[in-house]
Formats: sequence, structure tokens, C-alpha cells
Amino acid sequence: SAVISQKPSRDICQRGTSLTIQCQVDSQVTMMFWYRQQPGQSLTLIATANQGSEATYESGFVIDKFPISRPNLTFSTLTVSNMSPEDSSIYLCSGANPGLPGLSTDTQYFGPGTRLTVL
Amino acid sequence: AQSVTQPDIHITVSEGASLELRCNYSYGATPYLFWYVQSPGQGLQLLLKYFSGDTLVQGIKGFEAEFKRSQSSFNLRKPSVHWSDAAEYFCAVGRIAGGTSYGKLTFGQGTILTVHP
Repeated sequence: SAVISQKPSRDICQRGTSLTIQCQVDSQVTMMFWYRQQPGQSLTLIATANQGSEATYESGFVIDKFPISRPNLTFSTLTVSNMSPEDSSIYLCSGANPGLPGLSTDTQYFGPGTRLTVL
Repeated sequence: AQSVTQPDIHITVSEGASLELRCNYSYGATPYLFWYVQSPGQGLQLLLKYFSGDTLVQGIKGFEAEFKRSQSSFNLRKPSVHWSDAAEYFCAVGRIAGGTSYGKLTFGQGTILTVHP
């Protein structure tokens, strides 16, 4: 299984600022995803991070608010821009290698999450 | 569109008692089904998954789940709960190979498990 780390683990930010969250995987993964977990809620997919091209965003999420980079197969960043208190959430990244022989097909492994509080 | 329903928001059991967490899904094709557990302040850990084959799947920590296509269910069970099982449990459904939604997971609302000594 892949081991995924995230930095920072938590942060407290001021309204109007931006925060970039880093996600590092210990092995190459084909697909990486970013999720948001609002307080007391389930996980909602923000976007699929595509290597070498623009991320694919889910309905309700836009690139200007959540720009994503994925420079290689082991690393991705998510930026939460122009933050407001409504952005206070846990942000999780995940990685998966769907369909590759010998690997866990379509199993997503999650990072520990970044707990963001916006004041 | 795919969706997952976990009818029980909060379940309380005594240590040593059996456990069943319910999960119902809506999906237009053969689903990939998962159960994850999230302990307080932690990320998600995969408990078990179903892709095909035997409808009773075994996972880690003594958990098992049974896929019932006729009922669109994938309930999680454990015969004897331990205090360390107290956590939040998420059922999720994902798409098999192909299509623009490939690899994406849709999660249920989660079930919080409390274990009494």
C-alpha cells in the first residue's frame, strides 16, 4: 500500500489569506485526489489532480479558489485561496493506482489530512 | 449519479457485543465498495473492499462485510467489538475502469461508533 503524508498537519489562518497544502506519496501513483471534510460532515471530492495538466474539478469547486498542482507522480499541492471561515475543514489527499497488475486495483490510500481553521 | 446512504449517524454498543453498520448504495453498474475508518484526528484507513467474486469480504481488525446486490447493501460487521474500535466509519462507492468518473469515490455520511466498557 502507498503511504501518504501531508503538510502542514494543521493551521490557523486569517480571512483573505491563502494556504498551500502539500501531499507526498512514497511511491508513484497514477491518480491523486483532493477531498474536503467540513466539520461533522462526510468527505466531498474537490478535484482530481492530473500530472502535467490542469486538475479536473467537481461541481461546486473552481480552479481560482482551489488551484492544484501535480508536477510528478508522487507529489501534489492544493491551495485554498482568499480564505473565509467557511473554508474551515479537513483537507485530505489520496492516491490510487487503478488497474495496474499486482497492485490493489482502485484502492485509494489517504493522507492524514490537514486541519484548517480560518478566523 | 452514484450515492451512498449510511442510515445510522451514531451507534453505541458495549464492549464484546456484536456490531453491524449499515450501508446502502445507488449505482448504475457493478460498484466498487469500500469501508474506511477514521479515528479522531486521523486520516482514513481502509478496512476492506469489494470488487467482485465472493460477496463476503474479510478486512483488517476482525471486520467483515457482505455485498448484497438485491438489497444494494454492503453492511459492515464485527462479532465482538473492542474499545479501540470507537471511531467514525465511512462507506464509499467507486467506479470501475473507464469513464470520466473513474477512480472517484462517493462517501456516505459516516457512522460514529461509541463503545461502552
